[in-house]
Amino acid sequence: QKEVEQNSGPLSVPEGAIASLNCTYSDRGSQSFFWYRQYSGKSPELIMSIYSNGDKEDGRFTAQLNKASQYVSLLIRDSQPSDSATYLCAVNFFGNEKLTFGTGTRLTIIP
Amino acid sequence: DADVTQTPRNRITKTGKRIMLECSQTKGHDRMYWYRQDPGLGLRLIYYSFDVKDINKGEISDGYSVSRQAQAKFSLSLESAIPNQTALYFCATSDSGGQYFGPGTRLTVT
Repeated sequence: QKEVEQNSGPLSVPEGAIASLNCTYSDRGSQSFFWYRQYSGKSPELIMSIYSNGDKEDGRFTAQLNKASQYVSLLIRDSQPSDSATYLCAVNFFGNEKLTFGTGTRLTIIP
Repeated sequence: DADVTQTPRNRITKTGKRIMLECSQTKGHDRMYWYRQDPGLGLRLIYYSFDVKDINKGEISDGYSVSRQAQAKFSLSLESAIPNQTALYFCATSDSGGQYFGPGTRLTVT
């Protein structure tokens, strides 16, 4: 059973601080990793993708991948109230054309 | 205009009724997916299609069927709706990378 695990939260972070979201996955051969943001009642929105070990930065977002330890993380710098949402981690396991989603971490930014 | 559209956006139906949810996309992607989302259970894959002649079951296909009418259109049917099919349904498309989701259909079966 290929699995993607996330802490469900809620994770509360003061405005302006760094929010750190973590995700672990079960298959060492996984190839592609994605972070989605989902506001309550809305659809998931793709915000980051990462394919190789290391960091990838896009604006206030940084995705970090460590394949040896089988985890991927998302850092949000200078957190804003508008970042309050559920963040979903998704993994494309090796040889599998589908994405497996974690159940998400609910993030609340406190003004 | 939205790249991935779903109709209807909200639907209330009775147990035993047949219902169809429709998805259209203008992204030009070959791959299309149907998911349902339930509180605490995350997104679960119902069916997926990599081209018009390729249809595959996901992890929870029982009670559902699909039709891929064209590259841009992928419909999900509930042949005889039951209350535990009450959920938020999403269509998604991809070009082999990340997936892009439609706005969702909130379905209630009474």
